[in-house]
Amino acid sequence: QVQLVESGGGVVQPGRSLRLSCAASGFTFNSYGMHWVRQAPGKGLDWVALTWYDGSNKYYADSVKGRFTISRDNSKSSLYLQMNSLRAEDTGVYYCAREKVGQAGTFDYWGQGTLVIVSS
Amino acid sequence: DIQMTQSPSTLSASVGDRVTITCRASQSINSWLAWYQQKPGKSPKMLIYKASSLESGVPSRFSGSGSGTEFTLTISSLQPDDFATYYCQQYNTYWTFGQGTKVEIK
Repeated sequence: QVQLVESGGGVVQPGRSLRLSCAASGFTFNSYGMHWVRQAPGKGLDWVALTWYDGSNKYYADSVKGRFTISRDNSKSSLYLQMNSLRAEDTGVYYCAREKVGQAGTFDYWGQGTLVIVSS
Repeated sequence: DIQMTQSPSTLSASVGDRVTITCRASQSINSWLAWYQQKPGKSPKMLIYKASSLESGVPSRFSGSGSGTEFTLTISSLQPDDFATYYCQQYNTYWTFGQGTKVEIK
């Protein structure tokens, strides 16, 4: 069965960096676009970044452009989010999500999320 | 940027009620709209894609309609498992979610 397991969250000071990972299993990882979506405490869902199935194209929300980098290692079935210059408003649960085949831009499987807290 | 606005923000209903949630886009998104359900402490679950297509395994009491800028999610007969927060999401231009509609017990 499809599984997405995020890790790497924690408490970090403003201005510092953090790297999130998402380990995928149960499907052919290198055939799917993958996204990061976040959710601030008590708030709604906020799209963060996308990488195409082969890593050739990447897209970012304006709020993270220039600070976050999405990447993937298809040999390890893993997705990453390098987060630099973190701000208090980056606090939240970060989910990795798989794109639905044939409906690129929708998310048919989500991980359980990893919590990032940016605080001094 | 395309903005998505859901109404109402909170909805109180009883088991067996017919429930309708509206989602409006700030510009036309054709039919590139999905709906998700999220329960507290859980990750979202896709219900509907392309405005009206039911995701595999989702009960048929859920349905979606609309195109252009106005969309609806309908639950024909609310069940105890349906009390949750629902989000619409456009994927016409980048990816944007609505602010959510919480369906609570009346």
